[in-house]
Amino acid sequence: GAVVSQHPSWVICKSGTSVKIECRSLDFQATTMFWYRQFPKQSLMLMATSNEGSKATYEQGVEKDKFLINHASLTLSTLTVTSAHPEDSSFYICSARGFPGQETQYFGPGTRLLVL
Amino acid sequence: QQQVKQSPQSLIVQKGGISIINCAYENTAFDYFPWYQQFPGKGPALLIAIRPDVSEKKEGRFTISFNKSAKQFSLHIMDSQPGDSATYFCAASKAGNTGKLIFGQGTTLQVKP
Repeated sequence: GAVVSQHPSWVICKSGTSVKIECRSLDFQATTMFWYRQFPKQSLMLMATSNEGSKATYEQGVEKDKFLINHASLTLSTLTVTSAHPEDSSFYICSARGFPGQETQYFGPGTRLLVL
Repeated sequence: QQQVKQSPQSLIVQKGGISIINCAYENTAFDYFPWYQQFPGKGPALLIAIRPDVSEKKEGRFTISFNKSAKQFSLHIMDSQPGDSATYFCAASKAGNTGKLIFGQGTTLQVKP
């Protein structure tokens, strides 16, 4: 149980285009989902926290207009990288948590984004 | 105060040996301490987690030791295997918060056959 999927697993796009990444909790309802960014050989950097049906809370330094997050249902959150540029190339990982009081976060497999 | 400091940055262990990774935190409000294992190109997977009301938790070959007074916790991998070669992250969070995890810097473990 507690499986989180991400789609796509990798994406290559041209500079200036927008890319949408989906994160789904497959066998549980996730009231909270988190989006992370990870550079090679570095730790996970939290970008934002999203609760179902409400606006995402972004970490300091993360451009909310650049990284649009939508958490429309208890099983789906999306991250849209708008007008992507080469510096946005990274490994994006989502995680999902069940109802409040359940601290465990289950991570997706990640999405590798390469912007040319 | 929100930091979690992890050491060592990298670790090489012989097959069958014990791998030990340490983490230290400052914020005494933290009350949930998970360890994650990550293979290259994959998302982190939860290995084991502990709360501060216990000093040790064991699951198979993985053990967390927790020292509340020292604000430190560690992961011990007994009988380390080449398949354990991965990056390990400790983390901490506090109840009543959004559930945000504060991650350590990561430890790259290599288990030599």
